[in-house]
Amino acid sequence: NAGVTQTPKFQVLKTGQSMTLQCAQDMNHEYMSWYRQDPGMGLRLIHYSVGAGITDQGEVPNGYNVSRSTTEDFPLRLLSAAPSQTSVYFCASSYRGGRIQETQYFGPGTRLLVL
Amino acid sequence: GESVGLHLPTLSVQEGDNSIINCAYSNSASDYFIWYKQESGKGPQFIIDIRSNMDKRQGQRVTVLLNKTVKHLSLQIAATQPGDSAVYFCAENKGAQKLVFGQGTRLTINP
Repeated sequence: NAGVTQTPKFQVLKTGQSMTLQCAQDMNHEYMSWYRQDPGMGLRLIHYSVGAGITDQGEVPNGYNVSRSTTEDFPLRLLSAAPSQTSVYFCASSYRGGRIQETQYFGPGTRLLVL
Repeated sequence: GESVGLHLPTLSVQEGDNSIINCAYSNSASDYFIWYKQESGKGPQFIIDIRSNMDKRQGQRVTVLLNKTVKHLSLQIAATQPGDSAVYFCAENKGAQKLVFGQGTRLTINP
């Protein structure tokens, strides 16, 4: 298993540009989520999904869209990038029925800079 | 808003000493907490968790204490090693992958 993969690793955008951060997992996990981490801060939940076709907002959803058309993929879309979205983005997945320490995986992160 | 918070942004300890990292929470109904370790350039790594029906839980070299009366939890690392250098976060698990993180404490190990 590759675990949770995120692409790209780094990205520089200009204000107003759009892009999609990719997240994929090959463990057949029901739960997937997106977090952002600003310097010196903990992670904050953007959006999450409890299964294919189901998504919901987290703590900081504004400016981001998600969809979950398959179990494996959970892309995060920035519709019109703003400097305030400069951050490191982490994707996570877990199996619904398992203990979190045995089933939760974080991706390596995507570092995004918006100029 | 944030429901968990750490007391100190940085902590320095001598190699071999014990480390104690503290965290407070605001919601008395919170019932599931997790400690994470984050090394530079990596995602968070699970360390240990505790539910509100417990006061203490031990793992390998780590102990988590939960004081529900004052809404405080701590992570104790025994015999701190250089590999323990990282940022440590407490987080409340609200279920279905909804984690609320505190700001983190950077642990530095002095030789």
